[in-house]
Amino acid sequence: AQTVTQSQPEMSVQEAETVTLSCTYDTSESNYYLFWYKQPPSRQMILVIRQEAYKQQNATENRFSVNFQKAAKSFSLKISDSQLGDTAMYFCAFGRGGGADGLTFGKGTHLIIQP
Amino acid sequence: GAVVSQHPSWVICKSGTSVKIECRSLDFQATTMFWYRQFPKQSLMLMATSNEGSKATYEQGVEKDKFLINHASLTLSTLTVTSAHPEDSSFYICSAPWGQAAFFGQGTRLTVV
Repeated sequence: AQTVTQSQPEMSVQEAETVTLSCTYDTSESNYYLFWYKQPPSRQMILVIRQEAYKQQNATENRFSVNFQKAAKSFSLKISDSQLGDTAMYFCAFGRGGGADGLTFGKGTHLIIQP
Repeated sequence: GAVVSQHPSWVICKSGTSVKIECRSLDFQATTMFWYRQFPKQSLMLMATSNEGSKATYEQGVEKDKFLINHASLTLSTLTVTSAHPEDSSFYICSAPWGQAAFFGQGTRLTVV
């Protein structure tokens, strides 16, 4: 079974700052996918970024990037130039087959962007 | 993009009644969909996998007879909470896979009174 651990229940930064959310996972699989999802107060789950384990290059999506350390089983999310709209719960998730298998989620980090 | 629509967004039902929640993939086909449950201020827990044309597979500890899942077409899965009780009150979210990622519906807030 897979486990996903997010050790930061809540973080708060000023607008325009850079923030890094941590995530570690445990698995015996050799190939898998890792995700960061954002859940704003509306509770709609929004895909932020995806990383395929067999790719060494870290994924980036505009202001969002990851630091994927496969050997350390670490998958952190960096948000640059943070904006008020980034305020949300952020969940790290593990999937064996991309979205084709059910995902295992961490407990989440509540990120607050202060004006 | 991949759009998943869930209906209703919220529902209140009386204890002992059943309630059905629909999950639709609007612009793609999904032979598999997933149902999650989220308690307040907690993470998402996978309940079951909905398989088009075959029986759903349930995670350990999930009551099959209480949470009935039907995947009638390539774009529709339904979750029926039968004989609902207050402890079934929760936020239920569905997802469908597309492009090596999971896309989620808006969720359904169920309150059993």
